[in-house]
Amino acid sequence: KQEVTQIPAALSVPEGENLVLNCSFTDSAIYNLQWFRQDPGKGLTSLLLIQSSQREQTSGRLNASLDKSSGRSTLYIAASQPGDSATYLCAVPGASYDKVIFGPGTSLSVIP
Amino acid sequence: GAVVSQHPSWVICKSGTSVKIECRSLDFQATTMFWYRQFPKQSLMLMATSNEGSKATYEQGVEKDKFLINHASLTLSTLTVTSAHPEDSSFYICSARDPLTTSGGANEQFFGPGTRLTVL
Repeated sequence: KQEVTQIPAALSVPEGENLVLNCSFTDSAIYNLQWFRQDPGKGLTSLLLIQSSQREQTSGRLNASLDKSSGRSTLYIAASQPGDSATYLCAVPGASYDKVIFGPGTSLSVIP
Repeated sequence: GAVVSQHPSWVICKSGTSVKIECRSLDFQATTMFWYRQFPKQSLMLMATSNEGSKATYEQGVEKDKFLINHASLTLSTLTVTSAHPEDSSFYICSARDPLTTSGGANEQFFGPGTRLTVL
């Protein structure tokens, strides 16, 4: 059974710092991995999707990497801004591919 | 990317009433939609998979008679919380899979903005 964990659960950094969020999954046979952002009381915003054949994806100040063999993914945020404050979720497909299994999330606060 | 909408965005109801939440795929046809529930400070938990033209598939522990799902068309799935109670108060999010999307892989899902349900 696929399980997804995220470390740390919460993170507070001063504005301008670079930071790394970690995601681990137990079953390395994944089709892809997706990172989402969720603002309080809001739905999900898809940030990056990495296919199993890729090692990383970049979008602006965000860079996501994937190491299937070790069951890990990282989300790197460069030059953090207060507007980056949100909960970040990683997700992988379940065994049936239709289902998506979410990690518990990392709550990020960027202090001005 | 594909757009998924939900209506209403929030609803407050009295205990014992039923509430219907709609999930629509706006610019694509979704043969499969998914319903998630999220309690405060927790992650999303899949409740059920909604299949157009057939019965929904419920996850273990989810009462199918309490959470009625109807997927009558390729662009609309509804979740009805029957005889709602305060413990049903939660954030409900739907997602839809676009079978024609190839950029992210066959199982890329697009999420709605969520519906906040508060049962008094």
